[in-house]
Amino acid sequence: AQTVTQSQPEMSVQEAETVTLSCTYDTSENNYYLFWYKQPPSRQMILVIRQEAYKQQNATENRFSVNFQKAAKSFSLKISDSQLGDTAMYFCAFMRGSGGSNYKLTFGKGTLLTVNP
Amino acid sequence: EPEVTQTPSHQVTQMGQEVILRCVPISNHLYFYWYRQILGQKVEFLVSFYNNEISEKSEIFDDQFSVERPDGSNFTLKIRSTKLEDSAMYFCASTWGGYEQYFGPGTRLTVT
Repeated sequence: AQTVTQSQPEMSVQEAETVTLSCTYDTSENNYYLFWYKQPPSRQMILVIRQEAYKQQNATENRFSVNFQKAAKSFSLKISDSQLGDTAMYFCAFMRGSGGSNYKLTFGKGTLLTVNP
Repeated sequence: EPEVTQTPSHQVTQMGQEVILRCVPISNHLYFYWYRQILGQKVEFLVSFYNNEISEKSEIFDDQFSVERPDGSNFTLKIRSTKLEDSAMYFCASTWGGYEQYFGPGTRLTVT
């Protein structure tokens, strides 16, 4: 079974600064995806960024980037130039499979990020 | 942009009553999921559904739960006899078969 651990229940950052959210996972699978989902106060789950385990290059989406360390089973999210709209709960998630996968997502407990003006 | 919709947004029911939560997945999607999130806790997988049958279910998804795709567009989650601990946010998600699951806005279920 897979487990996802987010060790930071809450974090805060000043607007325009950079923050890094941590995530570690445990799996015996070789092929998998990792995701960061954002859940703002509206409660809708929104995909922020994904990483395929077979790719060595870290994924980047605008101000969001990841540091994927496969051997250490670590997958952190860096948010640059933080904006007030980034305030949300952030969930790290794992999905086994590759090349298009319809398996379940396993989520961590989440990190509540507050961006302060 | 197509989106997953869920109704109702909030459902209040008494313990022991049956509830049906409804979802309309994105129209060309083939795989459907239900997750739940008890307040303040992580999102947990309940069940996945493909080709009119359950693909996988968690230990949470016991005999009190059932899913159905009655008409080719709706995807429902039924809880036969609700318990206080069923109070949670229930999310529906769908995908065409790729890695990205698209989530609905959720239904908040309150069991009193």
